Amino acid sequence: GEDVEQSLFLSVREGDSSVINCTYTDSSSTYLYWYKQEPGAGLQLLTYIFSNMDMKQDQRLTVLLNKKDKHLSLRIADTQTGDSAIYFCAELKTGGFKTIFGAGTRLFVKA
Amino acid sequence: EADIYQTPRYLVIGTGKKITLECSQTMGHDKMYWYQQDPGMELHLIHYSYGVNSTEKGDLSSESTVSRIRTEHFPLTLESARPSHTSQYLCASSESSGYTFGSGTRLTVV
Repeated sequence: GEDVEQSLFLSVREGDSSVINCTYTDSSSTYLYWYKQEPGAGLQLLTYIFSNMDMKQDQRLTVLLNKKDKHLSLRIADTQTGDSAIYFCAELKTGGFKTIFGAGTRLFVKA
Repeated sequence: EADIYQTPRYLVIGTGKKITLECSQTMGHDKMYWYQQDPGMELHLIHYSYGVNSTEKGDLSSESTVSRIRTEHFPLTLESARPSHTSQYLCASSESSGYTFGSGTRLTVV
Protein backbone atom coordinates (compact mmCIF):
# COMPACT_ATOMS: atom_id res chain seq x y z
CA GLY A 1 0.00 0.00 0.00
CA GLU A 2 0.86 3.66 0.00
CA ASP A 3 0.63 4.31 3.72
CA VAL A 4 3.23 6.28 5.61
CA GLU A 5 2.82 5.22 9.22
CA GLN A 6 3.45 7.18 12.39
CA SER A 7 2.45 6.73 15.99
CA LEU A 8 -0.37 9.12 16.87
CA PHE A 9 0.83 10.55 20.18
CA LEU A 10 4.05 11.33 22.02
CA SER A 11 4.37 13.01 25.40
CA VAL A 12 7.68 14.28 26.79
CA ARG A 13 8.88 16.58 29.56
CA GLU A 14 10.34 19.96 28.78
CA GLY A 15 14.11 19.67 28.34
CA ASP A 16 14.03 16.01 27.33
CA SER A 17 14.65 14.74 23.80
CA SER A 18 11.72 13.75 21.61
CA VAL A 19 11.98 11.05 18.98
CA ILE A 20 9.21 10.77 16.42
CA ASN A 21 9.27 7.70 14.21
CA CYS A 22 7.90 6.99 10.77
CA THR A 23 7.89 4.08 8.36
CA TYR A 24 7.43 4.62 4.65
CA THR A 25 6.71 2.37 1.75
CA ASP A 26 8.72 3.19 -1.34
CA SER A 27 12.34 2.11 -1.19
CA SER A 28 12.98 4.32 -4.22
CA SER A 29 11.59 7.48 -2.64
CA THR A 30 14.00 10.32 -3.34
CA TYR A 31 13.10 12.79 -0.61
CA LEU A 32 11.66 12.35 2.86
CA TYR A 33 10.26 15.24 4.84
CA TRP A 34 9.18 16.36 8.27
CA TYR A 35 6.50 19.01 8.61
CA LYS A 36 5.21 20.76 11.73
CA GLN A 37 1.65 21.99 12.17
CA GLU A 38 0.63 24.25 15.02
CA PRO A 39 -3.07 24.61 15.94
CA GLY A 40 -5.11 26.44 13.34
CA ALA A 41 -2.19 26.83 10.94
CA GLY A 42 -0.91 25.25 7.77
CA LEU A 43 2.01 22.84 7.67
CA GLN A 44 5.54 24.19 7.87
CA LEU A 45 8.44 22.30 6.32
CA LEU A 46 10.91 21.59 9.12
CA THR A 47 13.54 19.61 7.31
CA TYR A 48 14.05 17.07 4.57
CA ILE A 49 16.59 14.41 3.77
CA PHE A 50 17.67 13.09 0.44
CA SER A 51 17.57 9.32 0.13
CA ASN A 52 21.33 8.92 -0.27
CA MET A 53 21.91 10.37 3.20
CA ASP A 54 21.78 8.56 6.54
CA MET A 55 21.58 11.56 8.80
CA LYS A 56 20.96 15.26 8.71
CA GLN A 57 21.34 17.67 11.60
CA ASP A 58 19.95 21.18 11.81
CA GLN A 59 20.32 22.88 15.19
CA ARG A 60 18.05 20.96 17.61
CA LEU A 61 16.72 18.66 14.88
CA THR A 62 18.33 15.39 13.82
CA VAL A 63 16.88 13.25 11.07
CA LEU A 64 17.93 9.61 10.78
CA LEU A 65 17.17 7.52 7.72
CA ASN A 66 17.37 3.72 7.62
CA LYS A 67 16.70 2.81 4.02
CA LYS A 68 16.94 -0.92 4.62
CA ASP A 69 14.06 -0.78 7.10
CA LYS A 70 12.34 2.20 5.40
CA HIS A 71 12.40 3.98 8.72
CA LEU A 72 12.71 7.70 9.29
CA SER A 73 13.01 9.45 12.63
CA LEU A 74 13.05 13.02 13.87
CA ARG A 75 14.85 13.80 17.09
CA ILE A 76 14.22 17.12 18.81
CA ALA A 77 16.84 17.93 21.43
CA ASP A 78 15.97 19.99 24.53
CA THR A 79 12.25 19.91 23.71
CA GLN A 80 10.41 23.11 24.58
CA THR A 81 6.70 23.79 25.14
CA GLY A 82 6.72 25.66 21.83
CA ASP A 83 7.53 22.37 20.12
CA SER A 84 4.04 21.07 20.99
CA ALA A 85 2.42 20.48 17.61
CA ILE A 86 1.56 17.79 15.08
CA TYR A 87 4.52 16.43 13.13
CA PHE A 88 3.90 14.90 9.71
CA CYS A 89 6.28 12.56 7.95
CA ALA A 90 6.09 12.49 4.15
CA GLU A 91 7.79 10.73 1.25
CA LEU A 92 8.20 11.85 -2.35
CA LYS A 93 7.33 8.84 -4.45
CA THR A 94 9.45 7.61 -7.33
CA GLY A 95 8.95 9.84 -10.35
CA GLY A 96 8.70 12.96 -8.23
CA PHE A 97 5.00 13.57 -8.77
CA LYS A 98 3.31 12.36 -5.64
CA THR A 99 3.99 13.01 -1.97
CA ILE A 100 2.41 10.75 0.62
CA PHE A 101 1.81 12.15 4.10
CA GLY A 102 1.51 10.22 7.32
CA ALA A 103 -1.41 10.85 9.67
CA GLY A 104 0.75 12.96 11.99
CA THR A 105 2.22 12.49 15.48
CA ARG A 106 0.82 14.78 18.18
CA LEU A 107 3.67 15.89 20.42
CA PHE A 108 2.72 17.09 23.90
CA VAL A 109 5.44 18.81 25.92
CA LYS A 110 4.84 18.98 29.67
CA ALA A 111 6.38 21.83 31.61
CA GLU B 1 7.13 35.42 5.42
CA ALA B 2 4.41 33.58 3.48
CA ASP B 3 4.96 32.96 -0.21
CA ILE B 4 1.60 31.28 -0.61
CA TYR B 5 -1.54 33.10 0.32
CA GLN B 6 -5.01 31.82 1.03
CA THR B 7 -8.13 33.90 1.43
CA PRO B 8 -10.37 34.07 3.27
CA ARG B 9 -8.81 32.83 6.50
CA TYR B 10 -12.22 32.01 8.00
CA LEU B 11 -15.59 31.70 6.27
CA VAL B 12 -19.05 30.94 7.61
CA ILE B 13 -21.61 30.44 4.89
CA GLY B 14 -25.14 29.14 4.47
CA THR B 15 -26.08 25.85 2.87
CA GLY B 16 -26.49 26.04 -0.90
CA LYS B 17 -24.20 29.03 -1.42
CA LYS B 18 -21.45 29.04 -4.03
CA ILE B 19 -18.00 29.85 -2.70
CA THR B 20 -14.50 30.19 -4.08
CA LEU B 21 -11.42 29.73 -1.92
CA GLU B 22 -8.45 31.65 -3.25
CA CYS B 23 -4.85 30.48 -3.35
CA SER B 24 -1.90 32.32 -4.85
CA GLN B 25 1.84 31.68 -4.75
CA THR B 26 4.76 33.86 -5.75
CA MET B 27 7.43 31.18 -6.08
CA GLY B 28 6.73 30.16 -9.66
CA HIS B 29 6.03 26.55 -8.67
CA ASP B 30 4.35 24.44 -11.31
CA LYS B 31 2.84 21.94 -8.87
CA MET B 32 -0.03 23.04 -6.66
CA TYR B 33 -2.40 21.13 -4.38
CA TRP B 34 -5.56 21.39 -2.31
CA TYR B 35 -5.91 19.33 0.85
CA GLN B 36 -8.86 18.95 3.15
CA GLN B 37 -8.07 18.50 6.83
CA ASP B 38 -10.37 18.19 9.80
CA PRO B 39 -8.78 19.81 12.89
CA GLY B 40 -5.78 17.84 14.10
CA MET B 41 -6.41 15.04 11.66
CA GLU B 42 -4.65 13.69 8.58
CA LEU B 43 -4.49 15.44 5.23
CA HIS B 44 -6.67 14.35 2.32
CA LEU B 45 -5.63 15.36 -1.19
CA ILE B 46 -8.67 16.61 -3.12
CA HIS B 47 -7.13 18.32 -6.18
CA TYR B 48 -3.74 18.91 -7.74
CA SER B 49 -2.19 20.59 -10.73
CA TYR B 50 1.14 20.11 -12.48
CA GLY B 51 0.94 23.38 -14.36
CA VAL B 52 -1.25 25.78 -16.30
CA ASN B 53 -4.38 24.10 -17.70
CA SER B 54 -3.59 20.91 -15.78
CA THR B 55 -5.96 19.80 -13.01
CA GLU B 56 -6.55 16.38 -11.50
CA LYS B 57 -8.76 14.94 -8.77
CA GLY B 58 -7.00 13.65 -5.70
CA ASP B 59 -7.49 10.65 -3.49
CA LEU B 60 -10.53 11.97 -1.64
CA SER B 61 -13.72 12.41 -3.60
CA SER B 62 -14.79 16.01 -3.48
CA GLU B 63 -17.68 18.01 -4.89
CA SER B 64 -15.38 20.95 -5.48
CA THR B 65 -13.72 22.03 -8.71
CA VAL B 66 -10.45 23.84 -9.42
CA SER B 67 -8.90 25.81 -12.25
CA ARG B 68 -5.34 26.71 -13.18
CA ILE B 69 -5.33 29.50 -15.75
CA ARG B 70 -2.20 31.13 -14.36
CA THR B 71 0.82 29.55 -12.71
CA GLU B 72 0.42 31.56 -9.54
CA HIS B 73 -3.32 31.09 -8.99
CA PHE B 74 -5.22 27.90 -8.07
CA PRO B 75 -8.74 28.67 -6.82
CA LEU B 76 -11.13 26.04 -5.46
CA THR B 77 -14.89 26.39 -5.97
CA LEU B 78 -17.84 24.76 -4.25
CA GLU B 79 -20.97 25.24 -6.35
CA SER B 80 -23.38 24.44 -3.52
CA ALA B 81 -21.98 24.32 -0.01
CA ARG B 82 -23.25 21.72 2.47
CA PRO B 83 -22.59 21.18 6.19
CA SER B 84 -20.48 18.13 5.25
CA HIS B 85 -18.04 20.55 3.58
CA THR B 86 -17.19 22.07 6.95
CA SER B 87 -13.43 21.59 7.31
CA GLN B 88 -10.06 23.28 6.89
CA TYR B 89 -8.78 23.61 3.33
CA LEU B 90 -5.03 23.86 2.82
CA CYS B 91 -3.39 24.97 -0.40
CA ALA B 92 0.22 24.10 -1.16
CA SER B 93 2.78 24.38 -3.91
CA SER B 94 5.93 22.33 -4.28
CA GLU B 95 9.31 21.66 -5.69
CA SER B 96 11.43 18.61 -4.88
CA SER B 97 12.75 20.15 -1.67
CA GLY B 98 9.27 20.13 -0.22
CA TYR B 99 5.87 21.72 0.00
CA THR B 100 5.04 25.25 1.02
CA PHE B 101 1.61 25.44 2.61
CA GLY B 102 -0.73 28.36 2.99
CA SER B 103 -2.28 29.17 6.35
CA GLY B 104 -5.54 27.52 5.36
CA THR B 105 -9.18 28.50 5.06
CA ARG B 106 -11.41 27.33 7.89
CA LEU B 107 -14.84 26.81 6.29
CA THR B 108 -18.04 26.38 8.27
CA VAL B 109 -21.29 25.68 6.43
CA VAL B 110 -24.40 26.27 8.50
